[in-house]
Amino acid sequence: DIQMTQSPASLSASLGETVTIECRASEDIYNGLAWYQQKPGKSPQLLIYNANSLHTGVPSRFSGSGSGTQYSLKINSLQSEDVASYFCQQYYNYLTFGSGTKLEIK
Amino acid sequence: QVQLKESGPGLVQPSETLSLTCTVSGFSLTSYSVSWVRQPSGKGPEWMGRMWYDGDTAYNSALKSRLSISRDTSKNQVFLKMNSLQTDDTGTYYCTRDQAESSGDVPFDYWGQGVMVTVSS
Repeated sequence: DIQMTQSPASLSASLGETVTIECRASEDIYNGLAWYQQKPGKSPQLLIYNANSLHTGVPSRFSGSGSGTQYSLKINSLQSEDVASYFCQQYYNYLTFGSGTKLEIK
Repeated sequence: QVQLKESGPGLVQPSETLSLTCTVSGFSLTSYSVSWVRQPSGKGPEWMGRMWYDGDTAYNSALKSRLSISRDTSKNQVFLKMNSLQTDDTGTYYCTRDQAESSGDVPFDYWGQGVMVTVSS
């Protein structure tokens, strides 16, 4: 099974800052990588798929990059509504999720 | 519009069987695959298994011996049954829809609201 290692586990940043969350796969997942945002008490929502494609309706301040085993999610100009947990998911071989990053505002 | 809604008991006794139903609307189960995903409180999600659009199933190898997924296309429902429940099966259970029709492994573009399941005596 493919394992996903996500970092950091938690992150605190100021409004307007840029933050980056990383995900490392245990083997090459050939860009079969998605990022989700989960606000407290809500279901996860798809942000990015195929490592760098923005899902419909997602603000352009979110972007994804990476290849092989290393991937990242970047949030530019952090806003208060971005407070949430973020998860990566590989779907190249079955499906596995990262353990999540909890993002807070300083 | 696309909707998925989970239903089932909130409390299950240890060693008992969990039965959940996912009722969908706004799309066809013969065009889109539906997965079950669970999430312990404060932890990352875990994919449990999938009902493919063509009626085939796929399971997480860690749960395969305890898990069964089926469907009734006439009622737009997908079912989950998992036996021998233990306390570490406690969490929120979601059904999800694949992003693309009749496709291979893809991410999920719609999630249900989730149902909280507690395993306790």
